[in-house]
Amino acid sequence: DVKVTQSSRYLVKRTGEKVFLECVQDMDHENMFWYRQDPGLGLRLIYFSYDVKMKEKGDIPEGYSVSREKKERFSLILESASTNQTSMYLCASSMGGDRGVFGYGYTFGSGTRLTVV
Amino acid sequence: AQTVTQSQPEMSVQEAETVTLSCTYDTSESNYYLFWYKQPPSRQMILVIRQEAYKQQNATENRFSVNFQKAAKSFSLKISDSQLGDTAMYFCAFMKRTGGYQKVTFGTGTKLQVIP
Repeated sequence: DVKVTQSSRYLVKRTGEKVFLECVQDMDHENMFWYRQDPGLGLRLIYFSYDVKMKEKGDIPEGYSVSREKKERFSLILESASTNQTSMYLCASSMGGDRGVFGYGYTFGSGTRLTVV
Repeated sequence: AQTVTQSQPEMSVQEAETVTLSCTYDTSESNYYLFWYKQPPSRQMILVIRQEAYKQQNATENRFSVNFQKAAKSFSLKISDSQLGDTAMYFCAFMKRTGGYQKVTFGTGTKLQVIP
């Protein structure tokens, strides 16, 4: 069963801590994405990656960074966590368009509920 | 930039009845894809149905169907014979073809409650 796995379902961190959210996919997908989900705001794109070591800013990258050292793993890093980063974080992956396959959307992980206190 | 609007934050429907969730979007693209995603209370987001903009025929997946009106930029989801398992957040989403990236823009979601 193909899937996207997020390492933690729930995390509680203190303000100022460095936080790592991990995401692993086993589908050999080129593209990986990090979104945050907040009530009334839907899903907002933080960062995405279309290849190993490649990254692009999404709509709300401030306060975040990412790392993609291997194709299957995409990490989201909060350098210094703040209370306004309390949210649900969703990882997703998709095939790259260079394969000639378009428009099949994402496969999502189960999400990580992060609380910063 | 593309925008996706879901004007119904919450809806409810009686079991076995039919419900329609609304979605509008704004784009200058001619080649794109539209999706409805479902997020049950357990939080795993899954794809319900997809529509290719260049296909005029509305997509159907079992009890789920869409009404795609390209000129009006409208993409509604109809759920027939609603079941308790349909209780979830539903997100409308848009994707244009941007190189190999295939980024998706999501609406704010509609929370659907199916009432026994």
